[in-house]
Amino acid sequence: DVVMTQSPLSLSVTLGQPASFSCRSSETLLYRDGNTYLNWFHQRPGQSPRRLIHLVSERDSGVSERFSGSGSGTDFTLKISRVEAEDVGIYYCMQGTHWPGYTFGQGTKLEIK
Amino acid sequence: QITLKESGPTLVKPTQTLTLTCMFSGFPFSSNKVGVGWVRQTPEKALEWLAVIYWGGDKRYSPSLESRLTITRDTSKNEVVLTMTNMDPVDTATYYCVISTLGAWGQGALVTVSS
Repeated sequence: DVVMTQSPLSLSVTLGQPASFSCRSSETLLYRDGNTYLNWFHQRPGQSPRRLIHLVSERDSGVSERFSGSGSGTDFTLKISRVEAEDVGIYYCMQGTHWPGYTFGQGTKLEIK
Repeated sequence: QITLKESGPTLVKPTQTLTLTCMFSGFPFSSNKVGVGWVRQTPEKALEWLAVIYWGGDKRYSPSLESRLTITRDTSKNEVVLTMTNMDPVDTATYYCVISTLGAWGQGALVTVSS
């Protein structure tokens, strides 16, 4: 099974400052069709997860431009350019390249300092 | 607007079978590239993908749980049903119905396994 490892597990950031989340996979996520199926999700307290980013860097509809994804192969990063209060919660990466079954990282908890 | 809504028991006993239903709307379940699946989240917040079924009937299961899972669909009712056999307290989780791309999630159904 492909293992997704996120770091750090928790992050405390001052409002208006940037935040960065790391995700590493145990195998390359580059699929034979040329796509890399790496997604990022955000879960606010008490809510369902919401997808922010797909295919490494494609923002989902309605997602703020403050969020950006990058990376390739086995190393990926999600960045928030300026943290706002609504950004608190848990951020998960997830791979969809290796079937059967998607696998998630363990999550990074973001709180406001 | 895509909506997915889970329903089922909130409490099951160990060894029992869990049956969860997902009612969905707002997208055409008429393409082999579109499907409905299930993801669960433990009380410790770990996410685990369980299963997916596509319009054409193709099914995929988590390898670690495949022997216990069955996913079916009723296209006339826009429903997908997940059954999980031999439930154990470690299966206590919130179970989410999701579109296969994970671009949309239901509100989740908390299932507790306890005698």
